[in-house]
Amino acid sequence: DTGVSQDPRHKITKRGQNVTFRCDPISEHNRLYWYRQTLGQGPEFLTYFQNEAQLEKSRLLSDRFSAERPKGSFSTLEIQRTEQGDSAMYLCASSLDESSYNEQFFGPGTRLTVL
Amino acid sequence: AQSVSQHNHHVILSEAASLELGCNYSYGGTVNLFWYVQYPGQHLQLLLKYFSGDPLVKGIKGFEAEFIKSKFSFNLRKPSVQWSDTAEYFCAVNAQRNAGNMLTFGGGTRLMVKP
Repeated sequence: DTGVSQDPRHKITKRGQNVTFRCDPISEHNRLYWYRQTLGQGPEFLTYFQNEAQLEKSRLLSDRFSAERPKGSFSTLEIQRTEQGDSAMYLCASSLDESSYNEQFFGPGTRLTVL
Repeated sequence: AQSVSQHNHHVILSEAASLELGCNYSYGGTVNLFWYVQYPGQHLQLLLKYFSGDPLVKGIKGFEAEFIKSKFSFNLRKPSVQWSDTAEYFCAVNAQRNAGNMLTFGGGTRLMVKP
């Protein structure tokens, strides 16, 4: 499968624990996006990378959230000291380059449940 | 900042009925418009997109959408739905001037087609 992959698909954690998610974009795509989707809502933008550079972060991304894309390929999203409000589906998407015309391809998401 | 609203949260139709899902956006500049679909248990997939030119856009699986600039609308239509169209549909926009090209999504419309 050459699409966007995410790991794990599901994560259950206790409040206060740290969690890390991974996203592998389509191989030649240099743009990578993270979105969050809560129940009954559409996805909301969190942050994006152009190659290894993180170029923008949403106000939704509190200090407890950090994202990296060290070699311009896969990306990780870490949430420290999780809270119940962090429970959501975390989606990763990639696109070919910076053109606004390029389709974003989405992965299956990581569903986080914070108890 | 742009915003997107989808008027119908849930729609139930019988097979062969016609479908129209509403989408309105709020943004003063030029936008690109998208409809994404999420079938049960699957990831978000692009249904169709509008960048410029003919405001009537045809997508996959018999779907089409019409961009009406004066109404800030991009409604999705299908003349005759099938049971397999049961899914959640998301309208999204990005601003052509925004270097990040992040998508702003509506809240989604959950469509159920009864056989």
